Amino acid sequence: DAGVIQSPRHEVTEMGQEVTLRCKPISGHNSLFWYRQTMMRGLELLIYFNNNVPIDDSGMPEDRFSAKMPNASFSTLKIQPSEPRDSAVYFCASSLLRTANTGELFFGEGSRLTVL
Amino acid sequence: SQKIEQNSEALNIQEGKTATLTCNYTNYSPAYLQWYRQDPGRGPVFLLLIRENEKEKRKERLKVTFDTTLKQSLFHITASQPADSATYLCALYYNTDKLIFGTGTRLQVFP
Repeated sequence: DAGVIQSPRHEVTEMGQEVTLRCKPISGHNSLFWYRQTMMRGLELLIYFNNNVPIDDSGMPEDRFSAKMPNASFSTLKIQPSEPRDSAVYFCASSLLRTANTGELFFGEGSRLTVL
Repeated sequence: SQKIEQNSEALNIQEGKTATLTCNYTNYSPAYLQWYRQDPGRGPVFLLLIRENEKEKRKERLKVTFDTTLKQSLFHITASQPADSATYLCALYYNTDKLIFGTGTRLQVFP
């Protein structure tokens, strides 16, 4: 298995532009997580999906952020409009959720976003 | 809200020594706690999971303890090697399926 695949690996954009980050989870996994990592705040959970359904988006910082999972093999995180404070590394992770979840998360390599 | 604290200062140790990293949590009683390793420019990688009824878990040179009374987990790397240098993150499940991470502790092992 190729693991969790994220794209782009690096994105540099100007303030006000729309940014779309993409994620392909591991085949067979039924949970998908979006995290944001910065030096100041560490790894923050933004939103997660179970069986393609958003379960908790309380970590999404503002309405400028949105995430979708149209099918089991694809998810997007969109920022519109982007701001310099959105600069961070965005990670996607997938897991196999069971009734008593102890599942490890498998992370992608991240998308490093720089908003000028 | 759930808070997970790890020592933000880097831990520097000499090769061959045992590294001990601390994870403290508040406002919750998790049934499971996980440890991950993160190398620069890479995503975190799962290392170990420990359950609340397990006081200790071992995997090769790694050992994790879980004290639910103190609300603390300790992560030990014995006979440390320069290749162990990385950031180590603890994480726990909040509300069953929401995994929350600590800020991580950077470990540097010198030859």
